[in-house]
Amino acid sequence: AQSVTQLGSHVSVSEGALVLLRCNYSSSVPPYLFWYVQYPNQGLQLLLKYTSAATLVKGINGFEAEFKKSETSFHLTKPSAHMSDAAEYFCAVSDLNQGGSEKLVFGKGTKLTVNP
Amino acid sequence: EAQVTQNPRYLITVTGKKLTVTCSQNMNHEYMSWYRQDPGLGLRQIYYSMNVEVTDKGDVPEGYKVSRKEKRNFPLILESPSPNQTSLYFCASSAGILSGNTIYFGEGSWLTVV
Repeated sequence: AQSVTQLGSHVSVSEGALVLLRCNYSSSVPPYLFWYVQYPNQGLQLLLKYTSAATLVKGINGFEAEFKKSETSFHLTKPSAHMSDAAEYFCAVSDLNQGGSEKLVFGKGTKLTVNP
Repeated sequence: EAQVTQNPRYLITVTGKKLTVTCSQNMNHEYMSWYRQDPGLGLRQIYYSMNVEVTDKGDVPEGYKVSRKEKRNFPLILESPSPNQTSLYFCASSAGILSGNTIYFGEGSWLTVV
């Protein structure tokens, strides 16, 4: 079964600084990978996904992530943080249920704080 | 507009009082599932459904039931809620993710069991 590790439950950056949120997955077989964002008191919104096409994936709101098979990583970056980026971010990987159907396995989340 | 709609969004209930959280999607998706979100644990799958009348347990199914009588609806039933089921619940639907399709989430249902 897949597992996802997000390093750092809380990350704090200054406005305008680089955002780097780390995600590592467990499988040696390249899965499908996703980043979701959750703004306070809201649901989950898809930021971007990796589906075995380009290894550098661009998403919404200026975010991007790079799939690195050798490192089993899918880190999320944004060159310049904005106050509106403050939210919780979840990395997720596709996996199979015991019955053979599919599911998402989520990391525990990283809460991003952006300081003025 | 693609939508997954959950109701109620907020609910406080008492231990043992049966409740149902409804979920409806308008995308004709075959695949639907329920997740719960708890601080420090991320989201964990409760139940999923591959199609009408096809449901199965996820990672944390204890204390929950589901049904899938129609393609668009996938209600979550708590027959006898307990305080450890206090959580934020998300319904999700997709055309299938192993092909890379997006999973769409509802806005969440905050449930408190006292």
